[in-house]
Amino acid sequence: GAVVSQHPSWVICKSGTSVKIECRSLDFQATTMFWYRQFPKQSLMLMATSNEGSKATYEQGVEKDKFLINHASLTLSTLTVTSAHPEDSSFYICSAAGGPTLDTQYFGPGTRLTVL
Amino acid sequence: DAKTTQPPSMDCAEGRAANLPCNHSTISGNEYVYWYRQIHSQGPQYIIHGLKNNETNEMASLIITEDRKSSTLILPHATLRDTAVYYCIVRSSGGGADGLTFGKGTHLIIQP
Repeated sequence: GAVVSQHPSWVICKSGTSVKIECRSLDFQATTMFWYRQFPKQSLMLMATSNEGSKATYEQGVEKDKFLINHASLTLSTLTVTSAHPEDSSFYICSAAGGPTLDTQYFGPGTRLTVL
Repeated sequence: DAKTTQPPSMDCAEGRAANLPCNHSTISGNEYVYWYRQIHSQGPQYIIHGLKNNETNEMASLIITEDRKSSTLILPHATLRDTAVYYCIVRSSGGGADGLTFGKGTHLIIQP
């Protein structure tokens, strides 16, 4: 149990385009979903927290107009990187809480974004 | 959430027990110790968590000292697939709504 999926697993896009990443909790309802970013040789950094039906809460330094988060249901959250630039190239990982152990976060496999 | 300190890297022979230490001397009474690991280019994987009692599951055992200021994650029979970065994270109970703060973790390398 407690499986989280992400789609796509990798994406390459041109500078200036927008990219949408989906995060799904497959076998549980996630009360809260989180988005993290990981640059090469660095640790994961929390970008934002979202609850179903509510606006996301962004960490300091994360542009909410650039990284749009929609949490439309208890099993789906999406992250849209708008007007992507090469510096947005990173490994984006989502997690979901509300599974077998309510406080435990279960992570998706990640999405590798490369902006040319 | 309390800060944690882990060694940057460790080696372990395949088939032996891997013991990964974590120091969390400022942990408070309602804070749990969580362990995750991240295999290269994958999302983190939940391993185990505990409050004050030792815990065991199919993946690992967690030993927490009586004063709760440190803990050890034990992988009883390490395999090559256990090579990963292991993160020890302290967070309060009821913190399901809070994101996790990842440190640098311990890069565990299992040697054949």
